Amino acid sequence: AQTVTQSQPEMSVQEAETVTLSCTYDTSESDYYLFWYKQPPSRQMILVIRQEAYKQQNATENRFSVNFQKAAKSFSLKISDSQLGDAAMYFCAYRSKGDNDMRFGAGTRLTVKP
Amino acid sequence: KAGVTQTPRYLIKTRGQQVTLSCSPISGHRSVSWYQQTPGQGLQFLFEYFSETQRNKGNFPGRFSGRQFSNSRSEMNVSTLELGDSALYLCASTLDGRYQETQYFGPGTRLLVL
Repeated sequence: AQTVTQSQPEMSVQEAETVTLSCTYDTSESDYYLFWYKQPPSRQMILVIRQEAYKQQNATENRFSVNFQKAAKSFSLKISDSQLGDAAMYFCAYRSKGDNDMRFGAGTRLTVKP
Repeated sequence: KAGVTQTPRYLIKTRGQQVTLSCSPISGHRSVSWYQQTPGQGLQFLFEYFSETQRNKGNFPGRFSGRQFSNSRSEMNVSTLELGDSALYLCASTLDGRYQETQYFGPGTRLLVL
């Protein structure tokens, strides 16, 4: 079964600094998508960034970028110039063509220090 | 476009009661998925509805059920509530429920079972 592992339950970063959140996944599929979702204290899950497995180029969205290592099954999220509003739970998620549902990691709680 | 809405936002029930939660997807979206989020188990997939039909189901007991209406609005029902059903219930919508589509989440319904 496909699993998603986030090995960092908590991370903290100084405002304006850079932080990287880790995610690994286990799959035998070749056709899949990876997602990073953010869940602030308000509880609404918001998509941060997504990556198609067939694309070698790492996705970027403004201050957010990923380091996608397909062979290593690794999908880390880098947040540059961290802002107070980035404080939230971050979930890594995976879904393949053959899956019935999205698989989520346990989440990483990010604290941003002023 | 309005986002995904869920009602009610908070609910308190007692053991043995039943509860119905509602989810209105983004206009034009035909797929609605439901998730249960708890501190211990994280985010777990309940089921997905597409065009009024349950397309996928997670590993939950039969006490958890759902339905979808012709306007794509979805409801989930939990009968004979147990203390362990206390959780945040999230719904998410996509256009067609394809694996590569981004899921857009609602704010969730917080259910407390006493």
